[in-house]
Amino acid sequence: EVQLVESGGGLVQPGRSLKLSCAASGFTFSDYNMAWVRQAPKKGLEWVATIIYDGSRTYYRDSVKGRFTISRDNAKSTLYLQMDSLRSEDTATYYCATHYGYTYYFDYWGQGVMVTVSS
Amino acid sequence: IQLTQSPSLLSASVGDRVTLSCKGSQNINNYLAWYQQKLGEAPKLLIYNTNSLQTGIPSRFSGSGSGTDYTLTISSLQPEDVATYFCYQYNNGLTFGSGTKLEIK
Repeated sequence: EVQLVESGGGLVQPGRSLKLSCAASGFTFSDYNMAWVRQAPKKGLEWVATIIYDGSRTYYRDSVKGRFTISRDNAKSTLYLQMDSLRSEDTATYYCATHYGYTYYFDYWGQGVMVTVSS
Repeated sequence: IQLTQSPSLLSASVGDRVTLSCKGSQNINNYLAWYQQKLGEAPKLLIYNTNSLQTGIPSRFSGSGSGTDYTLTISSLQPEDVATYFCYQYNNGLTFGSGTKLEIK
């Protein structure tokens, strides 16, 4: 059974940093492209970033380029999202997900972790 | 591509046939998926490539459409189908619709 478990969320002040982790199990992590998708409170869903199965390429939405870094450790079956220069508009639940074809759909999702950016 | 879902809120009875709509601002070329999100849970993939049913999803869910107009149909509404449903396009960029909240009447 595919399992994705996010951690590392919390309350952080604007301009500060936070690093999210996503521990994967139940599948061969190194074969899958992975992504982060977020959902602001009471709002819709928004793709954030994607990393290719071997870590060779990464993709970001414009609003997080230069501030967020997606990475992975295939030996540990873990996905990361380093978030720097956080803004109030980054407040959301962050989900990690498998990203089929890296430009297609998200097929398996974690339960999400909340990030609140506030002073 | 922007996606517009309608209606934003839908109330129906158990056993009803329910239709949810998703309209793109440009041609989506069938690169459209549907997600179900129950309260407090992560989204779940129901349909991909317009009409392909994800493994483990009940056959009462189906998708159709072409061009800019797409539909998710639930053939016989069940109590466990109460959720918000999002469409998502991956033809040009990656964008989600704003969702349709489905309730039982």
